[in-house]
Amino acid sequence: DIQMTQSPSTLSASVGDRVTITCRASQSISSWLAWYQQKPGKAPNLLIYKASSLESGVPSRFSGSGSGTEFTLTISSLQPDDFATYYCQQYNSYPRTFGQGTKVEVK
Amino acid sequence: EVQLVESGGGLVQPGGSLRLSCAVSGFTFSSHGMSWVRQAPGKGLEWVATIKEDGSEKYYVDSVKGRFAISRDNAKNSLYLQMDSLRAEDTAVYYCARDLTGSFAYWGQGTLVTVSS
Repeated sequence: DIQMTQSPSTLSASVGDRVTITCRASQSISSWLAWYQQKPGKAPNLLIYKASSLESGVPSRFSGSGSGTEFTLTISSLQPDDFATYYCQQYNSYPRTFGQGTKVEVK
Repeated sequence: EVQLVESGGGLVQPGGSLRLSCAVSGFTFSSHGMSWVRQAPGKGLEWVATIKEDGSEKYYVDSVKGRFAISRDNAKNSLYLQMDSLRAEDTAVYYCARDLTGSFAYWGQGTLVTVSS
């Protein structure tokens, strides 16, 4: 199974900050990586697919990059609505696996 | 508007069974793979199972193989998860999700399954 490791687990930031979350795969997954945002009590929301493609309707302050085993999600200017937990997910192979999550909290 | 609505969750004793359903609308159900993803209380996301568009291929996480069965009825625009031999560690919110070549583009609101005596 491919293990996905996110860092950090928790990130304290302020509105307007540039935020970067890293996701590492235990083996190469090419660009088969997605990023999700989840708020408490809600279903996850797809932000990025194929490592860098922005899902329709997602604000352009979100961006993704990387390939192989190292990936990043960047929020260029953190907005109040962005405080949430973020997950990466690989879909290079089965079983599909998620990172453990990164909680972005108010500093 | 794409909608996915899960039902069938509840409290069940260890060793018991439940059948989850996911009713979909707003897209051509028969053209998309579908999945179940779960989230234990206070924990992260765990993929459970995927079924291809025509039901010909099914995939499961190892922890549910032989106990859970994913199925679909394209005529009824519905996805199912039959869960047998339930364990305490199966306690979670179960989400159905529409595949986007392996990522999950649309999600339902989730249904809570609690396995406890």
